[in-house]
Amino acid sequence: AQRVTQPEKLLSVFKGAPVELKCNYSYSGSPELFWYVQYSRQRLQLLLRHISRESIKGFTADLNKGETSFHLKKPFAQEEDSAMYYCALTGANNLFFGTGTRLTVIP
Amino acid sequence: GAGVSQSPSNKVTEKGKDVELRCDPISGHTALYWYRQSLGQGLEFLIYFQGNSAPDKSGLPSDRFSAERTGGSVSTLTIQRTQQEDSAVYLCASSLEPLNTIYFGEGSWLTVV
Repeated sequence: AQRVTQPEKLLSVFKGAPVELKCNYSYSGSPELFWYVQYSRQRLQLLLRHISRESIKGFTADLNKGETSFHLKKPFAQEEDSAMYYCALTGANNLFFGTGTRLTVIP
Repeated sequence: GAGVSQSPSNKVTEKGKDVELRCDPISGHTALYWYRQSLGQGLEFLIYFQGNSAPDKSGLPSDRFSAERTGGSVSTLTIQRTQQEDSAVYLCASSLEPLNTIYFGEGSWLTVV
């Protein structure tokens, strides 16, 4: 069975500090992983997907199959990064989400 | 349309009443998903449509919940005999094809009193 675990419900960092949002997964096949973000009063939207290997808004995420992790990182947090972040995994026919981490960047 | 459209955006209903939530996906998107977002519960998968058929209904919480999609486009999620625990934001999403990037609507906020 597929599962996505985001151990931190809440995460606060100071502006300019590094940030890492943790995501661990379990899946028997070859996973495809995503990070979705929901800013205040906006709809949920794709932030990045691991197959793209791209950096979006300064965020990167590396798939570590050995550790079954897909942590989201940014070296210098900005106030506008404050949002709800969801890690997601494609299953057989579906996209499964973790419970989310609310990131607050303190000015 | 330009994006996934959901209606109503807000619905307050009395316990025991039936509600219908509508989703209009992005034109041409074959896959359509319903999720429920509750406080502290994250995003809970409800049902997935490929065209008009639903290969995965495993997430529907009870037989009070049903969904249909017609014409490969609009979908309706129906909750019968609503309970207070049904209160949540119901999110619809669509993608061009299964497992491609999915695009979310703004959600329907349901409150059962």
